[in-house]
Amino acid sequence: QLELRESGPRLVKPSETLSLSCTVSGGSINSGSYYWAWIRQPPGKGLEWVGSIYYDGTTYYNPSLKSRVTISLDTSNNQFFLTLGSVTAADTALYYCAMDADRWFDPWGQGMLVTVSS
Amino acid sequence: EIVLTQSPATLSVSAGERATLSCRASQSISSDLAWYQQKPGQAPRLLIYGASYRATGVPARFSGSGSGTEFTLTISSLQSEDFALYYCQQYHQWPPFTFGPGTKVEIK
Repeated sequence: QLELRESGPRLVKPSETLSLSCTVSGGSINSGSYYWAWIRQPPGKGLEWVGSIYYDGTTYYNPSLKSRVTISLDTSNNQFFLTLGSVTAADTALYYCAMDADRWFDPWGQGMLVTVSS
Repeated sequence: EIVLTQSPATLSVSAGERATLSCRASQSISSDLAWYQQKPGQAPRLLIYGASYRATGVPARFSGSGSGTEFTLTISSLQSEDFALYYCQQYHQWPPFTFGPGTKVEIK
C-alpha cells in the first residue's frame, strides 16, 4: 500500500524559503506513469494545487505560484521536494504531498502545517 | 482558469437521510471531475473520479453524476462517519488543477 509522508521545518521566517520533502513508501516513485503533487490548504480554508512533477522530472506549476516554486525528485531515495521562495504569511498552510494518479489525487500524505512568522 | 462553485456551503442532514451536493464549473469540463471527503484533522480522501467512478474502498452509498458544467455527489443514506467537508476538483484544463470551496455536511 502506497504511503506518503511530509517532512521539513514547521516554521519559516518571512522572505525566506520553505523547503519540504515527501517520502514515498510501498512503491517506487519512478515506476509507472505517475505524477507527484504538492497541494496546500491555509488554516480553515480550501485546497490549492501547488504543482506536480512527472517521474521523468517534468514539472507543472500553478501559475499563481510559478515564479516562486520548484519541485524536484530523488528517485534513489524515493522522495520528492517542494521549495517555495520569498514566503509571506499568506503561505502559511497545511502542505500535503499526494500521488497524481491520472490527474486526480490519491493517496495523500497526512499533511504538515508550515507557519510563516518571524 | 476553470472556477468551481459548490452548493450549498453547509448542508444539514439527519443520519439515514439522503444528501445531495452540487458542483458547477465555469466552463465545460466533460467528465473530468473528482470528489474528495475531508474529516477534521485528516487529509482529503478520494471518493469519486471521472465524475461517476467510485475509488477503491468507497462505499456504494456514495455516487457521482453529471457532465459538462453540472455535477452532483449523492450520499444515499448518511452514516455518522459521513459528516465531513466535501470538495470537487477539475482536471480538464490544467495547469492549474482547481478545487471548489467545499460543502460541509453537518448533523441536523
